[in-house]
Amino acid sequence: AQKITQTQPGMFVQEKEAVTLDCTYDTSDPSYGLFWYKQPSSGEMIFLIYQGSYDQQNATEGRYSLNFQKARKSANLVISASQLGDSAMYFCAMCNYGQNFVFGPGTRLSVLP
Amino acid sequence: EADIYQTPRYLVIGTGKKITLECSQTMGHDKMYWYQQDPGMELHLIHYSYGVNSTEKGDLSSESTVSRIRTEHFPLTLESARPSHTSQYLCASSEYRELHGYTFGSGTRLTVV
Repeated sequence: AQKITQTQPGMFVQEKEAVTLDCTYDTSDPSYGLFWYKQPSSGEMIFLIYQGSYDQQNATEGRYSLNFQKARKSANLVISASQLGDSAMYFCAMCNYGQNFVFGPGTRLSVLP
Repeated sequence: EADIYQTPRYLVIGTGKKITLECSQTMGHDKMYWYQQDPGMELHLIHYSYGVNSTEKGDLSSESTVSRIRTEHFPLTLESARPSHTSQYLCASSEYRELHGYTFGSGTRLTVV
């Protein structure tokens, strides 16, 4: 069965520092996609970044990058130069063909001024 | 500009009332989903649909019901609201090939008093 694990319920980071949010996954399918979503206190889910299982390079989107280590089944999100507006819940998710998304429990990030 | 719309954004209603949460998308996505989420907690899939006249129950048992009469519309109904239904309800949609990811609505925050 597919599963996403996020072992950090909460994280603190100083403004302008970089932070890594951990995500490990479990699947037996060779083809899958990994996603990160941000959920601010207003409640909406904002798509941040996507990594396909066959992608050779780590995905990057502005200040977000995904550290994809396929052999270790990890897909950590790295946020560079943290901003106060980055304070939110962050969810890692995985999808496989023909199946619904699996979400992790989330990590609450707090950026300190 | 949102491509998936949820109304109302906030709803406070008395116990025993019937309510319908609306969700519409303009992307022509076949798949649509309803998630229930308490503040700062995990997302729980309660209903999903793979197309018109197709509805399935999700991982979390829910007293709500859904319908999918049109591709773009996926309303959720509670026949008799109770305080235990107080939560946020998130609607999402995706193309048939989920590796494109989910697009989420802005959510409905329901409070039953």
